[in-house]
Amino acid sequence: AQTVTQSQPEMSVQEAETVTLSCTYDTSESDYYLFWYKQPPSRQMILVIRQEAYKQQNATENRFSVNFQKAAKSFSLKISDSQLGDAAMYFCAYRSSTIQGAQKLVFGQGTRLTINP
Amino acid sequence: DGGITQSPKYLFRKEGQNVTLSCEQNLNHDAMYWYRQDPGQGLRLIYYSQIVNDFQKGDIAEGYSVSREKKESFPLTVTSAQKNPTAFYLCASSISRSPDTQYFGPGTRLTVL
Repeated sequence: AQTVTQSQPEMSVQEAETVTLSCTYDTSESDYYLFWYKQPPSRQMILVIRQEAYKQQNATENRFSVNFQKAAKSFSLKISDSQLGDAAMYFCAYRSSTIQGAQKLVFGQGTRLTINP
Repeated sequence: DGGITQSPKYLFRKEGQNVTLSCEQNLNHDAMYWYRQDPGQGLRLIYYSQIVNDFQKGDIAEGYSVSREKKESFPLTVTSAQKNPTAFYLCASSISRSPDTQYFGPGTRLTVL
């Protein structure tokens, strides 16, 4: 079974600075999808960024980018120019590409990000 | 607006009662999911449905039941058999059963009194 580990329960960063959130995963599959979701105080899960394992290029979405290291099974999220609205819980998630395995997201424990003004 | 709605936002249940959480989507998505979130933890899959009139158990299905009579709706019933139902429940949907991105509703907070 796949597992996702986020080793940083809490992180903090000064506004306008850059912060990197770590995520590692364990899988025997070669093709899969990785996601970062944001959960603000409203508790709605919001997709931040998505990475397909077969793509070597790291995904980027405006101020958000990932460092995907397939061999190391590492998938970190970098937030540049941090803003107060970025404060939230961030969850890393794995999804299999097989039909049987594609039915669920496997989540990490989450990292609580605080932005200091 | 297209999206996923869940109701109610807060729900209180007495021990021994069944309660039903609503999830509706107008995104024309085929697949729908129910997750449970406990404090300080990630989400765990309860049930999922790929098409109408079909659904499958997830990792923690015991004490829960679902139905999928319409494409837009995927209600979750928390039965009295669920020993520890107090949690935050999130519904999600995706275009198809292929590994597409799942989009989430705003959630329902269930508290057992």
